[in-house]
Amino acid sequence: DTGVSQDPRHKITKRGQNVTFRCDPISEHNRLYWYRQTLGQGPEFLTYFQNEAQLEKSRLLSDRFSAERPKGSFSTLEIQRTEQGDSAMYLCASSLDDSPLHFGNGTRLTVT
Amino acid sequence: SQKIEQNSEALNIQEGKTATLTCNYTNYSPAYLQWYRQDPGRGPVFLLLIRENEKEKRKERLKVTFDTTLKQSLFHITASQPADSATYLCALDMDSSYKLIFGSGTRLLVRP
Repeated sequence: DTGVSQDPRHKITKRGQNVTFRCDPISEHNRLYWYRQTLGQGPEFLTYFQNEAQLEKSRLLSDRFSAERPKGSFSTLEIQRTEQGDSAMYLCASSLDDSPLHFGNGTRLTVT
Repeated sequence: SQKIEQNSEALNIQEGKTATLTCNYTNYSPAYLQWYRQDPGRGPVFLLLIRENEKEKRKERLKVTFDTTLKQSLFHITASQPADSATYLCALDMDSSYKLIFGSGTRLLVRP
């Protein structure tokens, strides 16, 4: 169990650029989640996969956001045409069925 | 409106004392309530889960209570240590098992 791994740890981008983050969950976990956290706030749910199927998306996830989990393994979160309001910590978590979530250490995005 | 509230001010206590953190919620009916610890620049780490039909749960120096009438959970750390200094997040689980609703967290500082 090497834990949930996220890459990159930090990303600085200019407004209007596209960015993509990667998450490698714990290998035997079938569920994968994306959350977003801004300074001084708790994480907010973005989306959730059961194996390769994306089962729910928050209304926070605008059309500019897309997440995939091909083959039910790693996941990517892409943000197109980034805006300054997208600056946040993007957290990935995984779990085996209903067990508690294991979070990665996040990707901190700064949009300038 | 729906709210989940944790003390926004930091809790500053002397080593060896018991820390008590509060989580209050409004207009939710969670099936479970979870507590996580988060260190700066890191993802949340799961600590304890308590079900709606449980009044109290313990794990080593940690104790959680859950009062569904008061809509409140208390999180206690006994014999606190400087290493317990972190932000503690409560999270409501509506039995969806995937979409946790987090409070904004309370920062705990334990002085040596």
